[in-house]
Amino acid sequence: VQLVESGGGLVQPGGSLRISCEAAGFPFVEYAMHWVRQVPGKGLEWVSGISWNSETIRYADSVKGRFTISRDNAKRSLFLIMNSLRPEDTALYYCAKDYYGGDPLYGFNIWGQGTRITVS
Amino acid sequence: ETVLTQSPATLSLSPGERATLSCSASQSVTTYLAWYQQKPGQAPRLLIFDASNRVTGIPARFSGSGSGTDFTLTISSLEAEDFAVYYCQQRYNWPPTFGPGTKVDIK
Repeated sequence: VQLVESGGGLVQPGGSLRISCEAAGFPFVEYAMHWVRQVPGKGLEWVSGISWNSETIRYADSVKGRFTISRDNAKRSLFLIMNSLRPEDTALYYCAKDYYGGDPLYGFNIWGQGTRITVS
Repeated sequence: ETVLTQSPATLSLSPGERATLSCSASQSVTTYLAWYQQKPGQAPRLLIFDASNRVTGIPARFSGSGSGTDFTLTISSLEAEDFAVYYCQQRYNWPPTFGPGTKVDIK
């Protein structure tokens, strides 16, 4: 069971970036998925979540209108498109599987290793 | 949003000792509270969900209790691999939020 993120990097303020997460070892289509970020040495912040069928999508207020979450069940992949990036978006972005099932219920039991985004 | 406060910020204990970590919510989260463990350079790991339910594979020395606004994670006898940062997280109120963490380090 694993999640592998990719696509992080250095981007200028106002720029855009797309990060991805590829899942393996569990029935991806049956679970809601999330992005959670962590500023180095600091705490955790939930960013966005999506239901198994993409019908329910939620965002933290801090990223609403700038970030877009999506998924491709056939490719077992989760995505986050980030626009209008700000220095305060600098963090390690984790992909996380919802513990409870297909609707986002906000328990996170499988995490990737994270992809680092620096906005500077 | 629901603010979670964790205490103490740092807990210095020896292997074999009992660790008691607290998490207090600014408003009721009923029992929709989870605990995570994070070691340096690693992603968080879910230990306890819905206040007192241990995830499959988590050792029995970890236990959670509480409801409403006050919660406790207890590690009955610390093992070397338990020294880490522990976060609580609520999912009852929107948005889901995490506490700032308690670091359990070796005395």
